[in-house]
Amino acid sequence: SAVISQKPSRDICQRGTSLTIQCQVDSQVTMMFWYRQQPGQSLTLIATANQGSEATYESGFVIDKFPISRPNLTFSTLTVSNMSPEDSSIYLCSVWTVQETQYFGPGTRLLVL
Amino acid sequence: SQELEQSPQSLIVQEGKNLTINCTSSKTLYGLYWYKQKYGEGLIFLMMLQKGGEEKSHEKITAKLDEKKQQSSLHITASQPSHAGIYLCGAINAGNNRKLIWGLGTSLAVNP
Repeated sequence: SAVISQKPSRDICQRGTSLTIQCQVDSQVTMMFWYRQQPGQSLTLIATANQGSEATYESGFVIDKFPISRPNLTFSTLTVSNMSPEDSSIYLCSVWTVQETQYFGPGTRLLVL
Repeated sequence: SQELEQSPQSLIVQEGKNLTINCTSSKTLYGLYWYKQKYGEGLIFLMMLQKGGEEKSHEKITAKLDEKKQQSSLHITASQPSHAGIYLCGAINAGNNRKLIWGLGTSLAVNP
């Protein structure tokens, strides 16, 4: 299995500001993803965090809005830039292990006022 | 594109009762994952099924994948308040790129 921690666990931010979310895994993993889960909805994949290179973004998500870094195999950050109330959501870090299982972090609850 | 439909959307049961949640795919499932999510928290991995007819159990939760690999069910025996939460199924698509396709979830409440 993999144990994933995320910081912060929650935050309340003003519109127009940016927030960086950190994700730390306790072991080396094959892939890392960032998801968004808006109230009452299922999971939406934002991007795949690639080690040492630019993230791969899903349709509807762009690097200027959601810059992602992954400097090594166990750490990644997601920044939510120039926030608006529509960005209020739970942001989840996720990893795939060599056992072909996907694990999720505890999530970051973001409220934008 | 492949879609996952979960039913029921929500469920309220009395403690001690059995219940079943279904996850149905429009296409063949190459792998099916079940997760549980407490309100506002991350997802907890429950079980993964790959083979047609496969069945796995963990404590009082049993998950099955049908022979045709297009439907999975999650069965909870003698439900407890600790089982309350949102149950999500996720499926590997034909490309197997690890980008799971997700159902909308089933919200379960267990009344003591």
